[in-house]
Amino acid sequence: AQRVTQPEKLLSVFKGAPVELKCNYSYSGSPELFWYVQYSRQRLQLLLRHISRESIKGFTADLNKGETSFHLKKPFAQEEDSAMYYCALSENSGYSTLTFGKGTMLLVSP
Amino acid sequence: DAGVTQSPTHLIKTRGQQVTLRCSPKSGHDTVSWYQQALGQGPQFIFQYYEEEERQRGNFPDRFSGHQFPNYSSELNVNALLLGDSALYLCASSLGPGDYGYTFGSGTRLTVV
Repeated sequence: AQRVTQPEKLLSVFKGAPVELKCNYSYSGSPELFWYVQYSRQRLQLLLRHISRESIKGFTADLNKGETSFHLKKPFAQEEDSAMYYCALSENSGYSTLTFGKGTMLLVSP
Repeated sequence: DAGVTQSPTHLIKTRGQQVTLRCSPKSGHDTVSWYQQALGQGPQFIFQYYEEEERQRGNFPDRFSGHQFPNYSSELNVNALLLGDSALYLCASSLGPGDYGYTFGSGTRLTVV
């Protein structure tokens, strides 16, 4: 069975510092990986998807199949980046069902 | 467009009771997926409905059942409630069962006492 691990419950950084939110996965096939974000009092929303290789709000994530990781990075954190971040995996089976990690709370202090 | 609408927002039930949660998808979306999010956990997939049929199911007992109506809205039913069913139940709609462009609702907070 697939599993997504986000080892940090909380990550606290200062504004302007680099950010890396860790995500490791276990899955025997070729998965699709996603990052979802939930800002305070807002709904869960898609941040980025590995297959699109986009940079959203300055965030990037590279799929490393050798290390089975999909870490989320941003070179300079902003206060508005403070939110809950979830890494998610899909089996790429034609159905958009997701397995989520437990999430990491990112706090960016001024 | 109100996006995905879920009702009720909160409810409290007694162990052993049954509950029905409702979801109206975003306009134009025809697929509804349900997730359970326990406190401190990520969302866990329950099932997905498309064309009024359950297309995929996660690791949940038969006490959890659902329905999708011709207007694409959906219900989640839970029978014989357990204390462990207390969670936030999220509905997400999408355009087709393979579309990852989920739009999530705000959720229904269920407390079982």
